[in-house]
Amino acid sequence: GQNIDQPTEMTATEGAIVQINCTYQTSGFNGLFWYQQHAGEAPTFLSYNVLDGLEEKGRFSSFLSRSKGYSYLLLKELQMKDSASYLCAVRDLSDYKLSFGAGTTVTVRA
Amino acid sequence: DTAVSQTPKYLVTQMGNDKSIKCEQNLGHDTMYWYKQDSKKFLKIMFSYNNKELIINETVPNRFSPKSPDKAHLNLHINSLELGDSAVYFCASSQDGLAGVDNEQFFGPGTRLTVL
Repeated sequence: GQNIDQPTEMTATEGAIVQINCTYQTSGFNGLFWYQQHAGEAPTFLSYNVLDGLEEKGRFSSFLSRSKGYSYLLLKELQMKDSASYLCAVRDLSDYKLSFGAGTTVTVRA
Repeated sequence: DTAVSQTPKYLVTQMGNDKSIKCEQNLGHDTMYWYKQDSKKFLKIMFSYNNKELIINETVPNRFSPKSPDKAHLNLHINSLELGDSAVYFCASSQDGLAGVDNEQFFGPGTRLTVL
């Protein structure tokens, strides 16, 4: 199984940058996902990393280090609409099951 | 146009009742999932089906029974509902849960179940 840890809450100012860290322990790694979930809504896919390095998608970037069991999601030029919960999820190699962290609630203030 | 749909969106019921939640996806995906998200927002896999075959069955009470009549539908039936079953239940689907690459999961809007 996987142990996935991420901070519970983060607060940042509009226009700023926030980095959400995620550490994991897994018996078999087959990719790491980041999802965004607004209050009362479904999670939506943000990014996927399976190889080490940085994946950039517009204002959002995600980094992975498999040897360290570590990932981060970087949110740049924060906007009020970025206020949401950000879920780190690791896929298992044996059954492709997705295990989620508890989520990081990001609050963007004006 | 909805990719993954669930019904009902809200479900309020008494303890001991039996209820069902329906899920349908029109994405042509092979794999469908049920997740439970509790009050602490922790999202946990319950079941996964690939082409109508059960492939993941987490430690879930046997009061929960998934049924997949075809690969576009995965329903969840819950018997003898308990207070602790109150949560948001999400259905999801992905292209192929058994091969690699970024086969992301698409989530339905969720069903908020409240057991009184």
